[in-house]
Amino acid sequence: GAVVSQHPSRVICKSGTSVKIECRSLDFQATTMFWYRQFPKQSLMLMATSNEGSKATYEQGVEKDKFLINHASLTLSTLTVTSAHPEDSSFYICSARPVTGNYGYTFGSGTRLTVV
Amino acid sequence: AQSVTQLDSQVPVFEEAPVELRCNYSSSVSVYLFWYVQYPNQGLQLLLKYLSGSTLVKGINGFEAEFNKSQTSFHLRKPSVHISDTAEYFCAVIERSNFGNEKLTFGTGTRLTIIP
Repeated sequence: GAVVSQHPSRVICKSGTSVKIECRSLDFQATTMFWYRQFPKQSLMLMATSNEGSKATYEQGVEKDKFLINHASLTLSTLTVTSAHPEDSSFYICSARPVTGNYGYTFGSGTRLTVV
Repeated sequence: AQSVTQLDSQVPVFEEAPVELRCNYSSSVSVYLFWYVQYPNQGLQLLLKYLSGSTLVKGINGFEAEFNKSQTSFHLRKPSVHISDTAEYFCAVIERSNFGNEKLTFGTGTRLTIIP
């Protein structure tokens, strides 16, 4: 079945530094990938939709200059948290939708970001 | 208005007992409905989905859900739960974003705890 690999699974960084999270579709092509943020004991909130070869579309309230998204190929999207601060600490999850198929959204295993 | 509502934030159930997790959706959204399960510090796994056709949908791990248009519900059921079913369960629906893109919108989640 469709597999999405997300790396790293956990990362601790110092305040003010940048962190890059990768999301890869291993056995299918995905023109669209999604980035979610999840706070403890809460639901997933969509941050942005990433389309291969074009700019990402961000949800209202999400700072596009802080959360940089790049979708350079049909199998890879990256989320870079720039100048991270402790309030950026969260669980980030990516999802990929195949080029073909009936709404088969597949999720990565998530990245736990802790900013100290 | 909330597109999808999960009425119960926590549901404790004795092992081998049946369980129902409730989900109601807004009649203004599409009727593409999903149930996902999330284990601690992991991504989401698709349990089942309703796109069209039979209103009774069978999924993995013995779960099933019934699409009820008149009650705008999509409740998840399992006749006999196991300890390993302890997890967070999310109901989700396809929505169109302000940019016209399709996105998956989640309910607030239901924490299912199985009591030995």
